[in-house]
Amino acid sequence: DAGITQSPRHKVTETGTPVTLRCHQTENHRYMYWYRQDPGHGLRLIHYSYGVKDTDKGEVSDGYSVSRSKTEDFLLTLESATSSQTSVYFCAITRDLNQPQHFGDGTRLSIL
Amino acid sequence: AQSVTQLDSQVPVFEEAPVELRCNYSSSVSVYLFWYVQYPNQGLQLLLKYLSGSTLVKGINGFEAEFNKSQTSFHLRKPSVHISDTAEYFCAVTPNNAGNMLTFGGGTRLMVKP
Repeated sequence: DAGITQSPRHKVTETGTPVTLRCHQTENHRYMYWYRQDPGHGLRLIHYSYGVKDTDKGEVSDGYSVSRSKTEDFLLTLESATSSQTSVYFCAITRDLNQPQHFGDGTRLSIL
Repeated sequence: AQSVTQLDSQVPVFEEAPVELRCNYSSSVSVYLFWYVQYPNQGLQLLLKYLSGSTLVKGINGFEAEFNKSQTSFHLRKPSVHISDTAEYFCAVTPNNAGNMLTFGGGTRLMVKP
């Protein structure tokens, strides 16, 4: 497996609280991505990063922000969590733009 | 923009039978295509990819897929499935000229029965 660690693996929190998910990689890959997985939708891109301090929005970015201050870490923040953000979140990395992405094991987030 | 349609949400099949999981895509530009597999409570694992060249691509675990540009399809096949192939399978595309931002289909749950 590619060296990708997502933390926490599971989290339950309440509506309105801030939540930060971490993706840590040991591959020194330049490109990192955050997706959410919901039944019937496959995975949808939230945000992505082309390098340190270089991030951009994906298809479903509303309510989410990201930061990448180091190559190895890509943080996803829900500033004020809502029940619609209950989902499984996956981080992915790739070395080059024409290579497949490799995925972490996911974080299951429940917002009550 | 791209879109991906996986035509079957669930495919039940008996062990040792052949299986085809269907994937159609829409794109105004040329694309790279991928199939991923997800076992329960795990991340996605790459099965195979089409970047260029031969339209028949072989992947891990005996799977193969054929890229058909005229029909904008990338169907996944296996001649004889095992119980261990029970999982969810995702087809994904990305434009070959920018970004490597994957668009996924909704997934097909393959259920292999003894």
